[in-house]
Amino acid sequence: DAGITQSPRHKVTETGTPVTLRCHQTENHRYMYWYRQDPGHGLRLIHYSYGVKDTDKGEVSDGYSVSRSKTEDFLLTLESATSSQTSVYFCAISESAGTGERAFFGQGTRLTVV
Amino acid sequence: DQQVKQNSPSLSVQEGRISILNCDYTNSMFDYFLWYKKYPAEGPTFLISISSIKDKNEDGRFTVFLNKSAKHLSLHIVPSQPGDSAVYFCAAPKRNQGGKLIFGQGTELSVKP
Repeated sequence: DAGITQSPRHKVTETGTPVTLRCHQTENHRYMYWYRQDPGHGLRLIHYSYGVKDTDKGEVSDGYSVSRSKTEDFLLTLESATSSQTSVYFCAISESAGTGERAFFGQGTRLTVV
Repeated sequence: DQQVKQNSPSLSVQEGRISILNCDYTNSMFDYFLWYKKYPAEGPTFLISISSIKDKNEDGRFTVFLNKSAKHLSLHIVPSQPGDSAVYFCAAPKRNQGGKLIFGQGTELSVKP
């Protein structure tokens, strides 16, 4: 199994509060991703990183920011949590961005915004 | 704009029989397709993939078929086992953006003993 650790695994937070989710990898992979999983939508890409300090937006990036100060850590921040951000969040890593490159996923963080 | 679609939210199959999970796509630019399997409270894990230059790829009990003219792929599991019960996602990467996957909605497979 790829060495990917997400923390926390579960979190309940109140609307309007900031929340940070952490993804830590031990594989030294260059590419890291944050997805969210919602019923009826599968997984959707929020943000991704192609190196330290190099990040870009995915398809559902509004309300989220990311940072990557070290190869091994990729942080996802909800600046002001809303109920629509209640979801399961998955971090993924890949060694390259080549077509056919498979991504490895963490175990997920279940976030509930009340 | 759902570029990858799995129109069956669930599928129930008897142990030992064949499971067929379907996926349709709209973007002819996809070069590669992947299937991921997901158990509850776990992250998705890679199962099998197929390049657009092929029409079939087999790995043990799992076979993926690609019909480019119909923009359709299917995952066959033979024989199905109770441990195969999970949610299956098909996914496709944007060209030259391997890890940026576009996922279908998923199909929950239940294999009954």
